[in-house]
Amino acid sequence: DTAVSQTPKYLVTQMGNDKSIKCEQNLGHDTMYWYKQDSKKFLKIMFSYNNKELIINETVPNRFSPKSPDKAHLNLHINSLELGDSAVYFCASSPRIAGGPHQETQYFGPGTRLLVL
Amino acid sequence: QKEVEQDPGPLSVPEGAIVSLNCTYSNSAFQYFMWYRQYSRKGPELLMYTYSSGNKEDGRFTAQVDKSSKYISLFIRDSQPSDSATYLCAMIKIQGAQKLVFGQGTRLTINP
Repeated sequence: DTAVSQTPKYLVTQMGNDKSIKCEQNLGHDTMYWYKQDSKKFLKIMFSYNNKELIINETVPNRFSPKSPDKAHLNLHINSLELGDSAVYFCASSPRIAGGPHQETQYFGPGTRLLVL
Repeated sequence: QKEVEQDPGPLSVPEGAIVSLNCTYSNSAFQYFMWYRQYSRKGPELLMYTYSSGNKEDGRFTAQVDKSSKYISLFIRDSQPSDSATYLCAMIKIQGAQKLVFGQGTRLTINP
């Protein structure tokens, strides 16, 4: 059973389009994240949700809008896609938000490779 | 200047060698230190984590943290071709927004 799954795995689209990426975790975790990994493998957090509540919102263009319908799902919608949005987007989850030995145990999904033409 | 610096490599060593991977950081508020391994076209997976300064060993892997120097290391003994991957260091503060901050990752190849 896949712990953190993402769909789609690959997404090729034209500049200006709107697209969504979906993430689901079956680990019973409270916290979910979206990360962006650029071509140089640099992994940077975009958003974090704890029990459907947004808790981390990094400096990300407001064309990116996360949505968490329940604590097992965190989707990412991107409006007006630009060339610079091409990257691999990873979803992750972790057991709890408070500081402690479990906070760093983040489980990552397989990634969604987005290519904007 | 990035908060966490890591040499991206690539690093290529023969099978059986001892590998040393390192990161430096600038913010003394980081308390937990992690190493993730990422195989090609996969998501990162947690290898090891340590709290504050000290060493931690798990099989062929040893993680070392030196908070006074703001320097962390991962050692791989008896390296295997299956260890070929990108290794990312990551760290987290306890206060404030608790988010993982990653290094750029070092691409490692173990040659048979």
